[in-house]
Amino acid sequence: DQQVKQNSPSLSVQEGRISILNCDYTNSMFDYFLWYKKYPAEGPTFLISISSIKDKNEDGRFTVFLNKSAKHLSLHIVPSQPGDSAVYFCAAGNSNYQLIWGAGTKLIIKP
Amino acid sequence: GAGVSQSPRYKVAKRGQDVALRCDPISGHVSLFWYQQALGQGPEFLTYFQNEAQLDKSGLPSDRFFAERPEGSVSTLKIQRTQQEDSAVYLCASSFRGGPTDTQYFGPGTRLTVL
Repeated sequence: DQQVKQNSPSLSVQEGRISILNCDYTNSMFDYFLWYKKYPAEGPTFLISISSIKDKNEDGRFTVFLNKSAKHLSLHIVPSQPGDSAVYFCAAGNSNYQLIWGAGTKLIIKP
Repeated sequence: GAGVSQSPRYKVAKRGQDVALRCDPISGHVSLFWYQQALGQGPEFLTYFQNEAQLDKSGLPSDRFFAERPEGSVSTLKIQRTQQEDSAVYLCASSFRGGPTDTQYFGPGTRLTVL
């Protein structure tokens, strides 16, 4: 039973356009959500997070939106750059520090 | 400063062999996590240390898996009598305070292949 789902295994976006990565969750007890980025042969790197008390968090080109009623969050990257090509993981947690991860979405930025 | 390092980066073991995977966290980080990542999946939590105390080992898949952090810094994940289903990337992460919203910093992982 996957509590965190990323339904798109891959996404291809033109350089300069907006990339939108989606994530759905089932456990309403999650109270914070994170996005990590992973390059091949490296460990995941923290990108941005959002608390369940917010519906939006922005950091430079990256914005995360949270829709609690739909149990859905999304990561927007604007504008997309070649260096953004990576696998993006959505993760969720609560007060017990365990993170539950999605399977990842591979983002490919086309020149 | 140095990030989280893991060794070896790659390990090939014959079924039934014991393996030991090492993690060097960021200096001063209180918390240390081990994850298992199967091909095409996200990381799955294995165990959590706060300093030398193993506070949660609920994710360890069987009693063949054992982790320790005796001095509150370096950690070792040991897998006894390896099986083919143990083949995965094993990721280690550390965080400064260990709180639930503390950023976890990951090492590059150890890719274990069991033949």
